[in-house]
Amino acid sequence: NAGVTQTPKFQVLKTGQSMTLQCAQDMNHEYMSWYRQDPGMGLRLIHYSVGAGITDQGEVPNGYNVSRSTTEDFPLRLLSAAPSQTSVYFCASSFDKMDTQYFGPGTRLTVL
Amino acid sequence: AQSVTQPDIHITVSEGASLELRCNYSYGATPYLFWYVQSPGQGLQLLLKYFSGDTLVQGIKGFEAEFKRSQSSFNLRKPSVHWSDAAEYFCAVGAGYSSASKIIFGSGTRLSIRP
Repeated sequence: NAGVTQTPKFQVLKTGQSMTLQCAQDMNHEYMSWYRQDPGMGLRLIHYSVGAGITDQGEVPNGYNVSRSTTEDFPLRLLSAAPSQTSVYFCASSFDKMDTQYFGPGTRLTVL
Repeated sequence: AQSVTQPDIHITVSEGASLELRCNYSYGATPYLFWYVQSPGQGLQLLLKYFSGDTLVQGIKGFEAEFKRSQSSFNLRKPSVHWSDAAEYFCAVGAGYSSASKIIFGSGTRLSIRP
């Protein structure tokens, strides 16, 4: 089992560029989520999904899109990157919404 | 909506000393409560969780936490810390299975260990 994998590990973007952060899990988990981690602010939920074809917004969804076409994959799209989106992004999965979440290793994104 | 507060940003304890990290939550019903640990440069790993039943919960790595409804708290404890416990610790609160509920994380407490 690879668990939760995220690519890339590091990324530098220029303001206005778009990109997709990849997340995949091989545990057949229904629930997947994206968080951003900023110093002194803990983890803030961006978007989540309770199953394939179903997504919903978290605390800080603006500037991000998600889709869930398969149980395994949950990509996060930055439509037009801004310096305020400089952060570390974590993907997580769990059996259901209130169960133990398994986290990926994170993607460190810098927007110039 | 629920909220969670970790009042201590940074704590330093001596190796072998006891540890208590504080977590307070705001939620009207019995919440789902979690403690996660993040080692430098890593993702988060679950230490323990509370859903119902015995209010004293045992976790991995010798950690325990106690749910106190009257104080809206879920403090994490360890009787004797090791240098490898240096990390950031996050408390998280979930409001159940309604469609609008989410898991909310606290801002974290960074633990340093004094040799």
